[in-house]
Amino acid sequence: EIVLTQSPGTLSLSPGETATLSCRASQSVSNNYLAWYQQKPGQAPRLLIYGASSRATGIPDRFSGSGSGTDFSLTISRLEPEDFAVYYCQQYDSSPLYSFGQGTKLEIK
Amino acid sequence: QVQLQESGPGLVKPSGTLSLTCAVSGDSITSHRWWTWVRQPPGKGLEWIGEIYHSGSTNYNPSLKSRVTISVDKPRNQFSLRLTSVTAADTAVYYCANPSEMALLWWGQGILVTVSS
Repeated sequence: EIVLTQSPGTLSLSPGETATLSCRASQSVSNNYLAWYQQKPGQAPRLLIYGASSRATGIPDRFSGSGSGTDFSLTISRLEPEDFAVYYCQQYDSSPLYSFGQGTKLEIK
Repeated sequence: QVQLQESGPGLVKPSGTLSLTCAVSGDSITSHRWWTWVRQPPGKGLEWIGEIYHSGSTNYNPSLKSRVTISVDKPRNQFSLRLTSVTAADTAVYYCANPSEMALLWWGQGILVTVSS
């Protein structure tokens, strides 16, 4: 089973700044099947990035994903007030098919 | 665009069975897709429960496999989750979801299920 570790646990930034979130896998992620989600209180997660670097439909280009193997990152440029939320990474592998990191909370400084 | 809506009891007694249904609209459940359940305990992270293909093939999280059954109802265009022998640790928001490109693209709004006597 691949374990995903996200860092930092909480990130405090101001609107307009750039956020960099990290997701490290305990072993190499197959075919870079790594996704990122944004979740706001009381809402379902929203898919941002799939395949490590492809933006889902309708996601602003301020959101970008990068990385391969075991180290991945999500970068959010020019933070907007609506970007402050919890972010999860997720990988697709053999068993369990989907597993998630523990999340990074992006809060307003 | 796929739309998903969970329904079912919001309260289940300990040792009982949790049963939820996900109604699918905007697509046929017999399309080439897997239909998925994910849960999230209050204040905690996400856990994949399992998935089903319209043929009836299933994949389950090994941590829950002994207690989980996912089934599909083609005429009603819906799929269901059954979790037996529940405890307080099964209290969570349960989401149905639909994957694309090995990620979960479409999500229901979620339903909170509390296990309590």
